[in-house]
Amino acid sequence: AQSVTQLGSHVSVSEGALVLLRCNYSSSVPPYLFWYVQYPNQGLQLLLKYTTGATLVKGINGFEAEFKKSETSFHLTKPSAHMSDAAEYFCAVSGEGGSKSTFGDGTTLTVKP
Amino acid sequence: DTGVSQDPRHKITKRGQNVTFRCDPISEHNRLYWYRQTLGQGPEFLTYFQNEAQLEKSRLLSDRFSAERPKGSFSTLEIQRTEQGDSAMYLCASSLEIPNTEAFFGQGTRLTVV
Repeated sequence: AQSVTQLGSHVSVSEGALVLLRCNYSSSVPPYLFWYVQYPNQGLQLLLKYTTGATLVKGINGFEAEFKKSETSFHLTKPSAHMSDAAEYFCAVSGEGGSKSTFGDGTTLTVKP
Repeated sequence: DTGVSQDPRHKITKRGQNVTFRCDPISEHNRLYWYRQTLGQGPEFLTYFQNEAQLEKSRLLSDRFSAERPKGSFSTLEIQRTEQGDSAMYLCASSLEIPNTEAFFGQGTRLTVV
């Protein structure tokens, strides 16, 4: 069965520093990979997605992620953190068993002034 | 288009009562999903519809849970005889009928069972 592991349930960075949120997946078929952001008491908003083609994917708000098949990873990065980036981030995979997604447990990003 | 809409946003109920939640998907989306999210966890898949047909149900969806999408538009999720363990955020999402495309999520219904 497909699965997602997000390494580090909490990540803290200073404003202006690099953001790196880690995601590893498992899938028996070519994966479709997503990063979502969730603000308190809100639903999930798509940041970016990988389907096929270019392995470096750019998303909204300056985020990007790179699909590395050999490492089964899809880490999320942003060169310079902003206070408004503080939120919870979820990595998800789909591909097995239809269109439903399997989510990781999330990483809470804190941005210090 | 106003996105995926869920009602109510918050629900507090006593153990043993029945509750019903509503989800209005994005109008051109014919796929609709229900997920449950508990504190500190990612969303867990419950069920999904393509038009009015319920195509898949998770083993998480006990007999006390039922979902409908009678006309292929809005959907309802009913929980009968609620238990404290049902306390969670219930998220609805919708998508186009394209394999593995992204889903658009509503703001969720937070259920508290006391």
